[in-house]
Amino acid sequence: QVQLQESGPGLVKPSQTLSLTCAVSGGSISSGGYSWSWIRQPPGKGLEWIGYIYYSGSTYYNPSLKSRVTISVDTSKNQFSLKLSSVTAADTAVYYCARTRVVGGAFDIWGQGTMVTVSS
Amino acid sequence: DIQMTQSPSTLSASVGDRVTITCRASQSISSWLAWYQQKPGKAPKLLIYKASSLESGVPSRFSGSGSGTEFTLTISSLQPDDFATYYCQQYNRYRTFGQGTKVEIK
Repeated sequence: QVQLQESGPGLVKPSQTLSLTCAVSGGSISSGGYSWSWIRQPPGKGLEWIGYIYYSGSTYYNPSLKSRVTISVDTSKNQFSLKLSSVTAADTAVYYCARTRVVGGAFDIWGQGTMVTVSS
Repeated sequence: DIQMTQSPSTLSASVGDRVTITCRASQSISSWLAWYQQKPGKAPKLLIYKASSLESGVPSRFSGSGSGTEFTLTISSLQPDDFATYYCQQYNRYRTFGQGTKVEIK
């Protein structure tokens, strides 16, 4: 079965760039029918969709974050990545990667999440 | 942007109760709505997609209904494992989540 695992630094300084990777196992990121998403959840708060990417490289971003977000895919490593620039304390959150069905649109498989704190 | 509003924010219920959570969209999203369950420290789990389709492996006590701008998630008989926070999410245009409904023990 497909599994997703986030990795990256747990602490990022203000104004720097947050970088995370999601490794996909048990299936190919290049298989059709899915896109690959990033979602975050500040401590004690709700979920916010960040954006998603298809294996072809096409991307769609949350308009509220678009100016700071880059999502990329590396099919040779079966993984996709998130970069969020100019971070502030408001970007402190648990970051999840998730598989998204193209038909049906829901996030059907999630990683366990990784906590990222923005602090000097 | 499409805004999603859930009600109530918190719901107190007992085991065996029938529970209903409402989700309203700021504009029509057809049936492009999903429901998730999240427990503390865990990733959300998909329960319902396309407003009323039950995800594989999810107990049949969960059901979803609605279309357009108003949707409901119903748990027919609340079980101890169901105390959690529930989120709706639209995928008509981009992706937006509701603010969540916490189901707690009465």
